Amino acid sequence: AQSVTQPDIHITVSEGASLELRCNYSYGATPYLFWYVQSPGQGLQLLLKYFSGDTLVQGIKGFEAEFKRSQSSFNLRKPSVHWSDAAEYFCAVGANNNDMRFGAGTRLTVKP
Amino acid sequence: NAGVTQTPKFRILKIGQSMTLQCTQDMNHNYMYWYRQDPGMGLKLIYYSVGAGITDKGEVPNGYNVSRSTTEDFPLRLELAAPSQTSVYFCANAGTSGSHEQFFGPGTRLTVL
Repeated sequence: AQSVTQPDIHITVSEGASLELRCNYSYGATPYLFWYVQSPGQGLQLLLKYFSGDTLVQGIKGFEAEFKRSQSSFNLRKPSVHWSDAAEYFCAVGANNNDMRFGAGTRLTVKP
Repeated sequence: NAGVTQTPKFRILKIGQSMTLQCTQDMNHNYMYWYRQDPGMGLKLIYYSVGAGITDKGEVPNGYNVSRSTTEDFPLRLELAAPSQTSVYFCANAGTSGSHEQFFGPGTRLTVL
């Protein structure tokens, strides 16, 4: 069965520090992979996506993610976190428009 | 363009009451979705539609109904509200270009007491 795991429920980093949020998936084939961000009281906004090709994808707001087929992972990274990055982050996987599965989310707190 | 809009933003219902959550898009996208978001659970798909007149169940459809009479509107109906339906509800859409990116509305926070 398809599933998405975000092992970290809550992460705290200092402003300016680097960030890595983990995402592992279980799927029959290589699915499409996404990272969304949700600010408090808002809907989800797409940060980046991977369909095929270069396994390192760049997104908005300085985020990037790397697809590792051997590890079934799609981890999100940012070299230097800003206070405005505090939000909840969701990894999602799917093979088509009717089959998107979301992880439980990782809440990011940024310390000044 | 407003994108995906949802009304109301907040609502409190009593057990057994009914209500309709409204969702409207101005993006002319064929696909539309309803999700519920519970703390620590991510988003669960309730219903989806691939176009006007076509709807189908998602992962957690029990207690809900939908209709899709136009491309723009995709209302979600709760007939007999139960405390288990307390959640934040998100409507989303997606085009058929193959990008699979979903665009989300701001959500409706529903409490059933």
